[in-house]
Amino acid sequence: SAVISQKPSRDICQRGTSLTIQCQVDSQVTMMFWYRQQPGQSLTLIATANQGSEATYESGFVIDKFPISRPNLTFSTLTVSNMSPEDSSIYLCSGIGVLMNTEAFFGQGTRLTVV
Amino acid sequence: AQTVTQSQPEMSVQEAETVTLSCTYDTSESDYYLFWYKQPPSRQMILVIRQEAYKQQNATENRFSVNFQKAAKSFSLKISDSQLGDAAMYFCAYSSGGGADGLTFGKGTHLIIQP
Repeated sequence: SAVISQKPSRDICQRGTSLTIQCQVDSQVTMMFWYRQQPGQSLTLIATANQGSEATYESGFVIDKFPISRPNLTFSTLTVSNMSPEDSSIYLCSGIGVLMNTEAFFGQGTRLTVV
Repeated sequence: AQTVTQSQPEMSVQEAETVTLSCTYDTSESDYYLFWYKQPPSRQMILVIRQEAYKQQNATENRFSVNFQKAAKSFSLKISDSQLGDAAMYFCAYSSGGGADGLTFGKGTHLIIQP
């Protein structure tokens, strides 16, 4: 199966600042997604990262807060902007490979703490 | 919108015993996939097993098997011969055909293995 490298693995940030999380896949993927996992909670889909165009956001998530880029088939970034303590979560990148027939694989996640 | 419900926040089982984790879902679609993911403390999401809705046969992967009841919209996971390494959060997840809409997750079940 494909491998996703996500970085940073963790960070502690000041409120009001922004953090960009990077996601690199070792092979081409058809779809890439970003999820948020709040403390002790399940995963919630933030958006679908579309290659070369604007991401598709789920209800409750907006581009100004979570800008996403996907310049090619194997790389994507998620920025958490103007952070507040409520943004403290684990952020996970996910991909579906060309041959993986809907099986999604995940990066190791980024544990973000906003102070 | 699809929903996934896991009604067991926590389950405990003796090592070498069998445990069943419950999951129900709601959808109006006919083409979909169901998954069980495992998340150990390392945060890495690991696919345990997958079931295609059009297949009547229940999926199995070594010690892991599912009981898929399509009419009842039920998708339980059975873990046989439980091992200490099985201790983790287990998430049931739903994906529409093709996976283009990402995954919808249940709230998770924390599985404890008693030695």
